[in-house]
Amino acid sequence: QITLTQQAESLWVSPGEKVSITCRASQSLLYTDGKHYLSWYQQRPGQTTKALIYHASIRTDGVPTRFIGSGSGTEFTLSIEDVQPEDIALYYCLQTLKKPWTFGGGTKLELK
Amino acid sequence: EVQLQESGPGLVKPSQSLSLTCSVTGYSITSNYWGWIRKFPGNKMEWMGYISYSGSTSYNPSLKSRISITRDTSKNQFFLQLNSVTTEDTATYYCAKGMDAWGQGASVTVSS
Repeated sequence: QITLTQQAESLWVSPGEKVSITCRASQSLLYTDGKHYLSWYQQRPGQTTKALIYHASIRTDGVPTRFIGSGSGTEFTLSIEDVQPEDIALYYCLQTLKKPWTFGGGTKLELK
Repeated sequence: EVQLQESGPGLVKPSQSLSLTCSVTGYSITSNYWGWIRKFPGNKMEWMGYISYSGSTSYNPSLKSRISITRDTSKNQFFLQLNSVTTEDTATYYCAKGMDAWGQGASVTVSS
């Protein structure tokens, strides 16, 4: 199965800063249709899990433009520009290229 | 707007079966894919499987023959059954539509 590694378990940020969360896959997530099957999710206590990004860089409807997905092949990044207090959450990457679909270990964004 | 709500027992005894229901409003389960994901203590996430719009299923091999996902289209609900549970199955269980909309999650503890 494909392993996704989120190196940072926790990242500390101040409001207004930019932060990047990385996700590394054990093999390329590029499919023959030219799309990368990598998505990003946000989990906040008491809230439903929110899909932020799919196909590595496409924002889901309603997701603020400060959330930016990038990367290709095996290396992917979720960047949050101008971090807001409501962005403090747990973030996961997920690959849906091959079954079993697999998640990264999660990165917790915390306030400095 | 699609909404999903998990329901079921919060406590299950070892060796018994875990059964959860996902009630869906705002979207017909005869379209798209409908899955189950779980989050273990310590934040590890696992995709468990899904049932498609046609009723076909796909399961994580790690769950082998213990898992079954079924549906009742007349009630717009789908179900998870996990047999022969152990304490290792203690987790928060989420249902999701195509991985882009999730329920709030149902906490299940396996303990005697």
